Amino acid sequence: EVQVLESGGGLVQPGGSLRLSCEMSGFTFGNYGMTWVRQPPGKGPEWVSAIVAKSDVTHYAASVKGRFTISRDNSKSILYLQMNSLRVEDTALYYCAKIRAPGGTTRDGADYWGQGTPVIVSS
Amino acid sequence: DIQMTQSPSSLSASVGDRVTITCRASQNIDNYLNWYQQKLGKAPKLLIYSASNLQSGVPLRFSGGGSGTDFTLTISSLEPEDFAAYYCQQSYSVPYTFGQGTKVDIK
Repeated sequence: EVQVLESGGGLVQPGGSLRLSCEMSGFTFGNYGMTWVRQPPGKGPEWVSAIVAKSDVTHYAASVKGRFTISRDNSKSILYLQMNSLRVEDTALYYCAKIRAPGGTTRDGADYWGQGTPVIVSS
Repeated sequence: DIQMTQSPSSLSASVGDRVTITCRASQNIDNYLNWYQQKLGKAPKLLIYSASNLQSGVPLRFSGGGSGTDFTLTISSLEPEDFAAYYCQQSYSVPYTFGQGTKVDIK
């Protein structure tokens, strides 16, 4: 059974930093691409970032590029999102998710999602 | 960026109704189109990938179609548990944009 557990969210002041973690189990983590998606309160999902299986290719939404860094530790089956220079508009529930297709691509749907970890940026 | 436009934004339907939701991409995305269902307080759930492939465990009343720029999600006979929000997402090129969503509620 695939399990996904996010952590690291919280309340932070504008300009601050947070690191989100996403621990996964129940499948061979290193064989799959991974992604972060966020959802502001009352709005639809917004794609944030993705990383291929072997970590050599990463992608970012323009709104977070240069401020957020996605990474993974395949030996520990953990996905990370380092978020710096946080803005009020980054306030959202952040989900990590596994990309469906094996082989490491990010060009597919996401089949397993965590419960989300809330990030609130406010002074 | 590729814009994804869903229609309608909301609809009211009854149990047993056939429902079709449309998603249009601002440029060709081949069949790199995914559909998700989201219930209140829950994470999105993958229903359809690659435009027409049913994700494992998803009921057969859900189906997807289309390619290029125009896509559909059809629920052949609405069940009570299908009242939710539905989102399309393109995975053709980054950023992998979502549609604005379609909320299906009870008539």
